[in-house]
Amino acid sequence: GQNIDQPTEMTATEGAIVQINCTYQTSGFNGLFWYQQHAGEAPTFLSYNVLDGLEEKGRFSSFLSRSKGYSYLLLKELQMKDSASYLCAALDSNYQLIWGAGTKLIIKP
Amino acid sequence: IAGITQAPTSQILAAGRRMTLRCTQDMRHNAMYWYRQDLGLGLRLIHYSNTAGTTGKGEVPDGYSVSRANTDDFPLTLASAVPSQTSVYFCASSDSRGGPDTQYFGPGTRLTVL
Repeated sequence: GQNIDQPTEMTATEGAIVQINCTYQTSGFNGLFWYQQHAGEAPTFLSYNVLDGLEEKGRFSSFLSRSKGYSYLLLKELQMKDSASYLCAALDSNYQLIWGAGTKLIIKP
Repeated sequence: IAGITQAPTSQILAAGRRMTLRCTQDMRHNAMYWYRQDLGLGLRLIHYSNTAGTTGKGEVPDGYSVSRANTDDFPLTLASAVPSQTSVYFCASSDSRGGPDTQYFGPGTRLTVL
């Protein structure tokens, strides 16, 4: 079956760095997405990786290892507004997105 | 630019009633999707449409139907609502003709079936 695993909840301190991990098992693979979702709002696109390695975009970076079925989202210089859920999703061989349940990130002052 | 709009924002519905959730996008995206999101679960695909005039079933299609008469609109109909259809419903669209097929989401409809 197809499966995405990510931690349910994480807590970090304002100004710190946090890494949110995601492992995936899909029928074929055409890329890995990260989305941010604030409470009561729609998911918004953060990053897309299809090749191995690190993609940096400001305070956020995303890493992919295809051989390990593993990705992480790295958030630096955490701000209170980064409190949200972070959704990992893998694109399978049919170009359908398989979604994880999301990681709720709580930022403390 | 509005992006994707959904209506209504929220709705309380009696079991057995028929309900249509509306979704409209102005980005001329070819693909559109309906998801439901329940606490503790990931987004689950209900139905999708790769282009106007075609639709397909997702992971949880039972009890739902869709149509795609044109590029912009993708309504989702619950023929006879049941309490298990209480959820937040998100419509999304993407330009799947090239690139990473990033999906863009509407604001959601919070539906409660009593």
